[in-house]
Amino acid sequence: GENVEQHPSTLSVQEGDSAVIKCTYSDSASNYFPWYKQELGKGPQLIIDIRSNVGEKKDQRIAVTLNKTAKHFSLHITETQPEDSAVYFCAANTGNQFYFGTGTSLTVIP
Amino acid sequence: GAVVSQHPSRVICKSGTSVKIECRSLDFQATTMFWYRQFPKQSLMLMATSNEGSKATYEQGVEKDKFLINHASLTLSTLTVTSAHPEDSSFYICSAPIGTGFQETQYFGPGTRLLVL
Repeated sequence: GENVEQHPSTLSVQEGDSAVIKCTYSDSASNYFPWYKQELGKGPQLIIDIRSNVGEKKDQRIAVTLNKTAKHFSLHITETQPEDSAVYFCAANTGNQFYFGTGTSLTVIP
Repeated sequence: GAVVSQHPSRVICKSGTSVKIECRSLDFQATTMFWYRQFPKQSLMLMATSNEGSKATYEQGVEKDKFLINHASLTLSTLTVTSAHPEDSSFYICSAPIGTGFQETQYFGPGTRLLVL
């Protein structure tokens, strides 16, 4: 089955700096890659996603890049703000099931 | 985006009692819903897939008699933790998809915190 790895597990950045979270996957059949933000005590919230026919997608301060050849995709957050502090999960959809990364705890230091 | 609700948001119960958690898709229908369990500072662990009109599909290692799932309608799935014990204490999250296959997008509920004393 699919194996999704996510790095780093924890990330601290100064407010205003950029944050990058990377995920790799193993199943070349995976074709849809969402990113979720989970705040403490809440459920994951979809923040951005990318499908395999697109290499990059941007939505205001967040962007996702996908390299299907290398089987990795990344989340980029620019101009980070304290409210960006949360746990971020990547996922890969093989068409049959979603596989989640292990999460990255992002702390934005004011 | 789509809205998925869960009720209750948190529950405390005594060991040996059963607890029911509801998951509702508020503005769309879902023939399938998913139940996850999340331990502190860990990722989401898929427990089972709830199927409207048929039996749930459980992941390996998940006791189906312990975690009863009923997909009563196209907008409601329930997870009942039977004879709960302290080790069942966890954060339970449901999700419901829109679309199918590679067009599928999963939307999560806010989660239910279960504490078994």
